[in-house]
Amino acid sequence: QSALTQPASVSGSPGQSITISCTGTSTDVGGYKYVSWYQQHPGKAPKLMIFDVSYRPSGVSNRFSGSKSGNTASLTISGLQAEDEADYYCSSYSSSSTWVFGGGTKLTVL
Amino acid sequence: EVQVVESGGGLVQPGRSLRLSCLVSGFTFGDYTMSWLRQAPGKGLEWIGFIRSKAYGGTTEYAASVKGRFTISRDDSKSIAYLQMNSLRTEDTAVYYCTRDLSPSYFDYWGQGTLVTVSS
Repeated sequence: QSALTQPASVSGSPGQSITISCTGTSTDVGGYKYVSWYQQHPGKAPKLMIFDVSYRPSGVSNRFSGSKSGNTASLTISGLQAEDEADYYCSSYSSSSTWVFGGGTKLTVL
Repeated sequence: EVQVVESGGGLVQPGRSLRLSCLVSGFTFGDYTMSWLRQAPGKGLEWIGFIRSKAYGGTTEYAASVKGRFTISRDDSKSIAYLQMNSLRTEDTAVYYCTRDLSPSYFDYWGQGTLVTVSS
């Protein structure tokens, strides 16, 4: 069982928006502004998409955005494209100087 | 260009040991914390542990699942991080990734991973 809770799967049609939630506790997601999101295509290494809750690294499309409320962080992808189909993982720094991850969400673009 | 390259994976029997290496180029290795993570077949990402830079004492932290069995070290002169895995179990079977760790914020540069299979 993962420390952070994500839905196992979400889906959307091209052009639509989807949101993936990531729920933790006050000792990780709720206690820090250090939530990050990673995209992973099959057989590939994860790629950083969002850091510090809502910041995008250089080169990441502005269709990706992040937010947080209390113990729940969210990743929103707008204007869905076929290439967005992948697994998405949230992560947070935690109070014990360790990292925790969500179990991952499989995004299907219909 | 930043490159992170893991090596040393393979098939190992339960109870045996294995050492993975992570060779880095493209940034000043010694200035950064490095983390190891893993991903079991068909499963999610799991953080294993990290080693801080010498500037922060070169200390380590580990996940409970590997504490006491796995050890992370570094050789800044060679830009290599190591993951020494002892008393391996079948549940340690996974792809092992090395990443640059910008604690407490995020992991940015990832290697391609190296597969460790623990089986008799």
